[in-house]
Amino acid sequence: EAGVAQSPRYKIIEKRQSVAFWCNPISGHATLYWYQQILGQGPKLLIQFQNNGVVDDSQLPKDRFSAERLKGVDSTLKIQPAKLEDSAVYLCASSGGPSYNEQFFGPGTRLTVL
Amino acid sequence: DAKTTQPPSMDCAEGRAANLPCNHSTISGNEYVYWYRQIHSQGPQYIIHGLKNNETNEMASLIITEDRKSSTLILPHATLRDTAVYYCIVSSQAGTYKYIFGTGTRLKVLA
Repeated sequence: EAGVAQSPRYKIIEKRQSVAFWCNPISGHATLYWYQQILGQGPKLLIQFQNNGVVDDSQLPKDRFSAERLKGVDSTLKIQPAKLEDSAVYLCASSGGPSYNEQFFGPGTRLTVL
Repeated sequence: DAKTTQPPSMDCAEGRAANLPCNHSTISGNEYVYWYRQIHSQGPQYIIHGLKNNETNEMASLIITEDRKSSTLILPHATLRDTAVYYCIVSSQAGTYKYIFGTGTRLKVLA
Protein backbone atom coordinates (compact mmCIF):
# COMPACT_ATOMS: atom_id res chain seq x y z
CA GLU A 1 0.00 0.00 0.00
CA ALA A 2 1.10 3.56 -0.59
CA GLY A 3 2.53 5.36 2.41
CA VAL A 4 1.85 8.78 3.86
CA ALA A 5 2.74 11.48 1.35
CA GLN A 6 3.96 14.94 2.31
CA SER A 7 4.94 17.99 0.32
CA PRO A 8 7.05 19.93 -0.03
CA ARG A 9 10.04 18.01 1.34
CA TYR A 10 12.03 21.18 1.99
CA LYS A 11 11.05 24.83 2.46
CA ILE A 12 13.12 27.91 3.24
CA ILE A 13 11.34 31.15 4.15
CA GLU A 14 12.05 34.46 5.82
CA LYS A 15 10.64 35.17 9.26
CA ARG A 16 7.18 36.70 9.25
CA GLN A 17 6.33 34.95 5.98
CA SER A 18 3.65 32.28 5.77
CA VAL A 19 4.03 28.65 4.74
CA ALA A 20 1.78 25.64 4.22
CA PHE A 21 2.43 21.93 4.33
CA TRP A 22 0.30 19.23 2.77
CA CYS A 23 -0.30 15.64 3.86
CA ASN A 24 -2.09 12.76 2.16
CA PRO A 25 -2.60 9.90 4.64
CA ILE A 26 -2.86 6.22 3.88
CA SER A 27 -6.16 5.46 2.21
CA GLY A 28 -8.86 4.59 4.72
CA HIS A 29 -7.01 5.88 7.78
CA ALA A 30 -9.41 7.91 9.89
CA THR A 31 -6.84 9.43 12.24
CA LEU A 32 -4.26 11.97 11.12
CA TYR A 33 -1.53 13.57 13.20
CA TRP A 34 0.83 16.49 12.70
CA TYR A 35 4.08 16.52 14.66
CA GLN A 36 6.87 19.07 14.98
CA GLN A 37 10.39 17.72 15.41
CA ILE A 38 13.09 20.18 16.38
CA LEU A 39 16.66 19.07 15.76
CA GLY A 40 17.88 16.69 18.45
CA GLN A 41 14.43 16.16 19.97
CA GLY A 42 11.66 13.62 19.56
CA PRO A 43 8.53 14.52 17.61
CA LYS A 44 5.96 16.64 19.43
CA LEU A 45 2.29 16.25 18.63
CA LEU A 46 0.73 19.47 17.35
CA ILE A 47 -2.74 18.32 16.35
CA GLN A 48 -4.72 15.12 15.91
CA PHE A 49 -7.75 14.66 13.67
CA GLN A 50 -10.34 11.90 13.74
CA ASN A 51 -11.92 12.01 10.29
CA ASN A 52 -12.35 15.80 9.84
CA GLY A 53 -12.78 16.65 13.51
CA VAL A 54 -10.05 17.81 15.89
CA VAL A 55 -9.36 15.39 18.75
CA ASP A 56 -6.36 17.12 20.35
CA ASP A 57 -4.77 20.47 19.53
CA SER A 58 -3.49 21.32 22.99
CA GLN A 59 0.11 21.77 21.79
CA LEU A 60 -0.73 23.81 18.68
CA PRO A 61 0.34 27.49 18.91
CA LYS A 62 -2.99 28.76 17.72
CA ASP A 63 -1.89 32.35 17.32
CA ARG A 64 0.21 31.37 14.32
CA PHE A 65 -0.48 27.73 13.45
CA SER A 66 -3.64 26.39 11.87
CA ALA A 67 -4.60 23.04 10.39
CA GLU A 68 -7.54 21.62 8.56
CA ARG A 69 -8.58 18.27 7.21
CA LEU A 70 -11.20 18.74 4.58
CA LYS A 71 -13.48 15.78 3.84
CA GLY A 72 -11.54 13.68 6.33
CA VAL A 73 -8.74 12.86 3.91
CA ASP A 74 -5.93 15.31 3.03
CA SER A 75 -4.70 17.83 5.57
CA THR A 76 -2.91 21.15 5.47
CA LEU A 77 -0.84 22.73 8.24
CA LYS A 78 -0.17 26.46 7.97
CA ILE A 79 2.14 28.80 9.82
CA GLN A 80 1.48 32.54 9.63
CA PRO A 81 3.65 34.43 10.44
CA ALA A 82 6.68 32.18 10.85
CA LYS A 83 9.27 32.71 13.58
CA LEU A 84 12.87 31.56 13.72
CA GLU A 85 11.96 28.94 16.33
CA ASP A 86 9.56 27.28 13.90
CA SER A 87 12.55 25.81 12.05
CA ALA A 88 11.93 22.08 12.34
CA VAL A 89 10.77 18.97 10.50
CA TYR A 90 7.00 18.71 10.29
CA LEU A 91 5.84 15.12 10.25
CA CYS A 92 2.44 13.82 9.27
CA ALA A 93 1.23 10.41 10.43
CA SER A 94 -1.95 8.42 10.03
CA SER A 95 -3.53 5.41 11.66
CA GLY A 96 -6.59 3.25 11.14
CA GLY A 97 -7.85 0.03 9.75
CA PRO A 98 -6.53 -3.29 11.08
CA SER A 99 -3.33 -1.63 12.36
CA TYR A 100 -5.29 1.04 14.24
CA ASN A 101 -2.76 1.22 17.06
CA GLU A 102 0.23 1.80 14.78
CA GLN A 103 1.05 5.22 13.40
CA PHE A 104 2.48 5.41 9.88
CA PHE A 105 4.70 8.43 9.34
CA GLY A 106 5.47 10.37 6.21
CA PRO A 107 8.99 11.55 5.32
CA GLY A 108 8.40 15.02 6.75
CA THR A 109 8.88 18.58 5.54
CA ARG A 110 12.05 20.32 6.67
CA LEU A 111 11.33 24.01 7.30
CA THR A 112 14.10 26.56 7.68
CA VAL A 113 13.12 30.05 8.81
CA LEU A 114 15.79 32.71 8.19
CA ASP B 1 6.59 15.28 29.40
CA ALA B 2 7.50 11.85 28.15
CA LYS B 3 6.66 9.00 30.50
CA THR B 4 9.75 7.04 29.49
CA THR B 5 13.48 7.28 30.18
CA GLN B 6 16.10 5.92 27.80
CA PRO B 7 19.89 6.14 27.60
CA PRO B 8 20.90 8.83 25.08
CA SER B 9 23.22 6.60 23.08
CA MET B 10 24.50 3.05 22.66
CA ASP B 11 26.93 1.22 20.39
CA CYS B 12 26.59 -2.34 19.15
CA ALA B 13 28.85 -4.53 17.03
CA GLU B 14 27.40 -5.69 13.73
CA GLY B 15 25.95 -9.17 14.02
CA ARG B 16 25.54 -8.98 17.78
CA ALA B 17 22.30 -8.49 19.66
CA ALA B 18 21.36 -4.92 20.51
CA ASN B 19 19.50 -4.57 23.80
CA LEU B 20 17.85 -1.19 24.27
CA PRO B 21 16.40 -0.49 27.72
CA CYS B 22 13.51 1.76 28.64
CA ASN B 23 12.12 2.79 32.03
CA HIS B 24 8.43 3.58 32.35
CA SER B 25 7.86 3.41 36.09
CA THR B 26 4.58 5.39 36.00
CA ILE B 27 2.89 3.27 33.34
CA SER B 28 -0.83 2.74 33.86
CA GLY B 29 -2.66 -0.55 33.59
CA ASN B 30 -4.22 0.26 30.22
CA GLU B 31 -1.08 1.65 28.63
CA TYR B 32 0.91 -0.23 26.04
CA VAL B 33 4.64 0.03 25.38
CA TYR B 34 5.51 0.97 21.79
CA TRP B 35 8.87 1.08 20.09
CA TYR B 36 9.60 3.14 16.99
CA ARG B 37 12.84 3.95 15.26
CA GLN B 38 13.88 6.88 13.13
CA ILE B 39 16.57 6.51 10.54
CA HIS B 40 18.25 9.75 9.50
CA SER B 41 16.02 12.04 7.40
CA GLN B 42 13.04 9.67 7.56
CA GLY B 43 9.85 9.58 9.61
CA PRO B 44 9.63 7.23 12.60
CA GLN B 45 8.90 3.59 11.78
CA TYR B 46 6.88 1.22 13.97
CA ILE B 47 8.81 -1.74 15.37
CA ILE B 48 6.72 -3.52 17.98
CA HIS B 49 4.35 -3.01 20.89
CA GLY B 50 3.13 -4.95 23.90
CA LEU B 51 1.06 -4.78 27.07
CA LYS B 52 2.56 -7.24 29.53
CA ASN B 53 3.60 -10.35 27.66
CA ASN B 54 6.81 -10.61 25.71
CA GLU B 55 6.35 -10.05 22.00
CA THR B 56 8.35 -11.01 18.94
CA ASN B 57 8.02 -10.14 15.29
CA GLU B 58 10.26 -10.22 12.26
CA MET B 59 12.10 -7.08 13.34
CA ALA B 60 12.62 -7.44 17.08
CA SER B 61 11.63 -8.84 20.44
CA LEU B 62 10.10 -6.88 23.30
CA ILE B 63 10.69 -7.99 26.86
CA ILE B 64 8.48 -6.31 29.49
CA THR B 65 9.24 -6.85 33.18
CA GLU B 66 6.59 -8.42 35.33
CA ASP B 67 5.89 -5.16 37.17
CA ARG B 68 5.76 -3.41 33.75
CA LYS B 69 8.03 -0.63 34.96
CA SER B 70 10.67 -1.28 32.35
CA SER B 71 11.19 -3.00 29.03
CA THR B 72 13.95 -4.00 26.64
CA LEU B 73 13.89 -3.98 22.87
CA ILE B 74 16.12 -6.65 21.40
CA LEU B 75 17.43 -6.57 17.85
CA PRO B 76 18.81 -10.11 17.61
CA HIS B 77 21.43 -9.60 14.90
CA ALA B 78 22.12 -5.91 14.42
CA THR B 79 23.16 -4.67 10.99
CA LEU B 80 24.52 -1.32 9.87
CA ARG B 81 21.02 -0.46 8.62
CA ASP B 82 19.75 -0.64 12.21
CA THR B 83 21.70 2.53 13.05
CA ALA B 84 18.92 4.92 14.10
CA VAL B 85 17.26 6.70 17.01
CA TYR B 86 14.98 4.33 18.91
CA TYR B 87 11.98 5.69 20.79
CA CYS B 88 10.12 3.94 23.59
CA ILE B 89 6.58 5.31 24.10
CA VAL B 90 3.75 4.41 26.43
CA SER B 91 0.27 5.07 25.17
CA SER B 92 -3.23 4.15 26.15
CA GLN B 93 -5.33 2.22 23.66
CA ALA B 94 -8.39 3.95 25.02
CA GLY B 95 -9.25 7.33 23.58
CA THR B 96 -6.80 9.19 21.37
CA TYR B 97 -3.80 6.81 21.25
CA LYS B 98 -1.67 9.88 21.85
CA TYR B 99 2.12 9.45 21.66
CA ILE B 100 4.54 11.53 23.71
CA PHE B 101 8.04 11.02 22.37
CA GLY B 102 11.13 11.46 24.50
CA THR B 103 14.59 12.02 23.06
CA GLY B 104 15.17 8.31 22.40
CA THR B 105 18.37 6.25 22.23
CA ARG B 106 20.75 6.82 19.37
CA LEU B 107 22.00 3.35 18.42
CA LYS B 108 25.14 3.12 16.35
CA VAL B 109 25.95 -0.27 14.86
CA LEU B 110 29.67 -0.64 14.28
CA ALA B 111 31.24 -2.68 11.49
